[in-house]
Amino acid sequence: QKEVEQNSGPLSVPEGAIASLNCTYSDRGSQSFFWYRQYSGKSPELIMSIYSNGDKEDGRFTAQLNKASQYVSLLIRDSQPSDSATYLCAVRADFGNEKLTFGTGTRLTIIP
Amino acid sequence: GAVVSQHPSWVICKSGTSVKIECRSLDFQATTMFWYRQFPKQSLMLMATSNEGSKATYEQGVEKDKFLINHASLTLSTLTVTSAHPEDSSFYICSARDASGRRPRNTEAFFGQGTRLTVV
Repeated sequence: QKEVEQNSGPLSVPEGAIASLNCTYSDRGSQSFFWYRQYSGKSPELIMSIYSNGDKEDGRFTAQLNKASQYVSLLIRDSQPSDSATYLCAVRADFGNEKLTFGTGTRLTIIP
Repeated sequence: GAVVSQHPSWVICKSGTSVKIECRSLDFQATTMFWYRQFPKQSLMLMATSNEGSKATYEQGVEKDKFLINHASLTLSTLTVTSAHPEDSSFYICSARDASGRRPRNTEAFFGQGTRLTVV
């Protein structure tokens, strides 16, 4: 059973602080990793994708991947109230397999 | 703007009736689309992979005769919930990936807006 696990939260972070979201996965063959943001009642929106070990930065977002530890994280700097949402971690097994496996999501609340 | 359009965004139907949900890729051809279901406070669960011109591939535990998938063209996949029951009430979401190479690799899968199905 291929699994993707996240702390369901809720995670509360003061406005302006750094929010740290974590995700672990069980399939060592996983190649592609994604973070999606989902507002209540809406469909997921891609925030970040990462494929190689290390950090990848895009604006206020930084994704970190450690394949040896089977761990991927998302950091949100200068958190804003609009960042309040559920963040879903998704993993894809290999480049030939387009199926995504989603974690249960972490609910993030930014406190003004 | 949206590149995958899903319709309708919400629907209420009576128990025992069938409901069709459409998923369209707007500016690219999608040989593969995916259908997910999401219950409240839960994550997305893949129901089936829709393949253009061939039969859909269903995930374990998903009834293929109840959830009919048709992918008749490279831009349209439909999901029909047949003989719907209240337990089928859920948020149904489709996704498609632009594999044409026109977009950067990191754009990956695009999701439709989702369809909120309520069966009464």
